[in-house]
Amino acid sequence: AQSVTQLGSHVSVSEGALVLLRCNYSSSVPPYLFWYVQYPNQGLQLLLKYTSAATLVKGINGFEAEFKKSETSFHLTKPSAHMSDAAEYFCAVSVVTGGGNKLTFGTGTQLKVEL
Amino acid sequence: DTEVTQTPKHLVMGMTNKKSLKCEQHMGHRAMYWYKQKAKKPPELMFVYSYEKLSINESVPSRFSPECPNSSLLNLHLHALQPEDSALYLCASSQDPGQGLPLHFGNGTRLTVT
Repeated sequence: AQSVTQLGSHVSVSEGALVLLRCNYSSSVPPYLFWYVQYPNQGLQLLLKYTSAATLVKGINGFEAEFKKSETSFHLTKPSAHMSDAAEYFCAVSVVTGGGNKLTFGTGTQLKVEL
Repeated sequence: DTEVTQTPKHLVMGMTNKKSLKCEQHMGHRAMYWYKQKAKKPPELMFVYSYEKLSINESVPSRFSPECPNSSLLNLHLHALQPEDSALYLCASSQDPGQGLPLHFGNGTRLTVT
């Protein structure tokens, strides 16, 4: 079964520092992977998606992620954190079933940005 | 601004009430989804509609009843809920039910069952 695991439920960085949020996947076939962000009292916003076209994926708000098959990882990075990046981040995998597309989420990582 | 609109934003209901959550999208998407999110947890899939037909039901209790009147609208009818059903209910849509397509989420309805 396809799944994702996020390492670290809470990550704290200083403003201007590198952001690294970890996600590992489990899949017997090439996966479709996503990163979403959720700000307080809001829905989920798509940051970026991996669909096998390129291993380095650039998203919105300066975020990017690199698909590494050898490490079964899809970590999210941003060179310089901003206070507005504080939010919950979810890695997700798209699983196809007889009924259609099921998006399954990791447990989430709360990012805190400090001055 | 989100392209998936959910109403109401907040809802408080008693265990004997009947209420409905509404979701609307005008992106021409042919797959629509209901997710439930408890505090500090990831969203969990409840239902998927593909081309206006229910295609996935994740063993959701019958007190939750989905409805897709047309390709733009998705409802979730609620009846005889329990306090543990209090959560954020998220609606989402995708271009079609194919694998690998991103979901577009609404801002959710925060439901409190008293």
